[in-house]
Amino acid sequence: NAGVTQTPKFQVLKTGQSMTLQCAQDMNHNSMYWYRQDPGMGLRLIYYSASEGTTDKGEVPNGYNVSRLNKREFSLRLESAAPSQTSVYFCASSDAGQGYTEAFFGQGTRLTVV
Amino acid sequence: LAKTTQPISMDSYEGQEVNITCSHNNIATNDYITWYQQFPSQGPRFIIQGYKTKVTNEVASLFIPADRKSSTLSLPRVSLSDTAVYYCLVGDSGGYQKVTFGTGTKLQVIP
Repeated sequence: NAGVTQTPKFQVLKTGQSMTLQCAQDMNHNSMYWYRQDPGMGLRLIYYSASEGTTDKGEVPNGYNVSRLNKREFSLRLESAAPSQTSVYFCASSDAGQGYTEAFFGQGTRLTVV
Repeated sequence: LAKTTQPISMDSYEGQEVNITCSHNNIATNDYITWYQQFPSQGPRFIIQGYKTKVTNEVASLFIPADRKSSTLSLPRVSLSDTAVYYCLVGDSGGYQKVTFGTGTKLQVIP
């Protein structure tokens, strides 16, 4: 089992460029999440998808859009990258609503905006 | 959302038992307590989860008093590879959108 797979692992963008971060999970989980983690900080929720076909804003959604393409895939798009979006991005999935909830995280995408 | 408070950092020598306490005074009846471990440049990894009393697995133990307003993660005989950030989370089964990752506790294991 691959778990949660994120691509790419590293990316450098120029200010104003756009890009999409890809995330896929193979655990048949209903819920998927995008977080960002700035140096020395905890994770902050950008967007989440409680189930296929739904997406909602998290704590820091400005400057981002998401798409829940199907049950497996949840992408994060930066339309016009800004230096403030330099961060490590983590995708996660969980089987929410089943009582016992463990979230599985990808390895992260390290994004630098210059 | 239940707010959690945990020490920013801790140091421990190899082979010692480490206890990290988390305070969550406004925990709700349906909330579970979950601990995650994060190594540098990696995503967080689940360690243990509990609701009340004591839970033990092959990695750690979790102690939760009767009032559930705090919890203690216990790591027996730590090694250098246990150097990581440990997060205490509180939330119900409704999903992680209701859970906040704080800054965690940075554990440094010293040889």
